[in-house]
Amino acid sequence: EAGVAQSPRYKIIEKRQSVAFWCNPISGHATLYWYQQILGQGPKLLIQFQNNGVVDDSQLPKDRFSAERLKGVDSTLKIQPAKLEDSAVYLCASSGGQARSYEQYFGPGTRLTVT
Amino acid sequence: AQSVTQLDSQVPVFEEAPVELRCNYSSSVSVYLFWYVQYPNQGLQLLLKYLSGSTLVKGINGFEAEFNKSQTSFHLRKPSVHISDTAEYFCAVNSGGSNYKLTFGKGTLLTVNP
Repeated sequence: EAGVAQSPRYKIIEKRQSVAFWCNPISGHATLYWYQQILGQGPKLLIQFQNNGVVDDSQLPKDRFSAERLKGVDSTLKIQPAKLEDSAVYLCASSGGQARSYEQYFGPGTRLTVT
Repeated sequence: AQSVTQLDSQVPVFEEAPVELRCNYSSSVSVYLFWYVQYPNQGLQLLLKYLSGSTLVKGINGFEAEFNKSQTSFHLRKPSVHISDTAEYFCAVNSGGSNYKLTFGKGTLLTVNP
């Protein structure tokens, strides 16, 4: 079974520029998560989708971050405009049906550097 | 609200020595507990999980963890480590509910020296 795919793996941008990350979850997984992992810290949930609806976006900085999951499959996370403090690894994860909803499977992440 | 405390930010050990990585959690409801491992420049990989049943949980790569409800702990152990176990280890808690939200600790960097 193919894992969670993310692209790009690395991105360097200047502050005030915009950037987008893409995630394709494991086939059949209804729930998709975006996490932000700042160096030296654990992942922090930014947004959670169930199919194409938002379940939790309480920690998403909505003035600059946006995310969508059209058609309930792949997802895009966007930052516009970026700030220096957005430098982090952005992880996408997915989980499956009810019986397995406790297990989240993670992609390799996108490392963003804002200069 | 749920939270996770990993008591050691770094743990250096010698190869073939035993290791314990400590994790304490705080939650007002029943919890589900996880340990994830992150190798350099990679995503997180599930090591083991506690959902219910036996409090001693065995995972991949020879790791095990014990759930202690009275001490609200979920410490990770391995009797003999290898160089390849060098990685960052994250403890996480999920209090169930409608969205299965995971809260992570800050991580413990395990460094295995020859």
